[in-house]
Amino acid sequence: ILNVEQSPQSLHVQEGDSTNFTCSFPSSNFYALHWYRWETAKSPEALFVMTLNGDEKKKGRISATLNTKEGYSYLYIKGSQPEDSATYLCAFGDSGGSNYKLTFGKGTLLTVNP
Amino acid sequence: KAGVTQTPRYLIKTRGQQVTLSCSPISGHRSVSWYQQTPGQGLQFLFEYFSETQRNKGNFPGRFSGRQFSNSRSEMNVSTLELGDSALYLCASSLEQSGMNTEAFFGQGTRLTVV
Repeated sequence: ILNVEQSPQSLHVQEGDSTNFTCSFPSSNFYALHWYRWETAKSPEALFVMTLNGDEKKKGRISATLNTKEGYSYLYIKGSQPEDSATYLCAFGDSGGSNYKLTFGKGTLLTVNP
Repeated sequence: KAGVTQTPRYLIKTRGQQVTLSCSPISGHRSVSWYQQTPGQGLQFLFEYFSETQRNKGNFPGRFSGRQFSNSRSEMNVSTLELGDSALYLCASSLEQSGMNTEAFFGQGTRLTVV
């Protein structure tokens, strides 16, 4: 059973604060690392898909980094806004065996207070 | 382009009954994955279908099954429902197999309540 850990479990920040969360995953059989944002009453939406060690991706105020050798990824949000409130999920794509699979962490619940 | 459509959105069933959930992927996507989400748990992988073949299966009992049709639409079936099967069931479609470097697009889910 693959272990994908996310920390912290939940986070409360003030509007304007910058914040970051961590995703830890196995360092073997790595194929891809996905980040998703899941707002209440909506569907999870992809933020980033990263495949290369050292990858850095950015979308507006949100960015992510990837270290496949040590098995972690960071998600950063600069200048948090109330609309950033959501659960942020990471998912580890592994190529073990003959078929690929996505294993999700339990997520980090971010609440941004105005 | 139309997103991933799941039907029904809500369902209430009695213990012992069986249920079928449907997922229509984005046009052109050949992979459909199913996940179960219960309070306090992450998205638990059920299975994935790619071009009508089950490519991967999670650690769920045999009461959970699925299939994929030639138009890529997928159905998930749960037989002999138990109270613990109450959950949000999400499906996701993608161009390639999940776990690869293409993003997954999720439906809005089916909320199943077993009483």
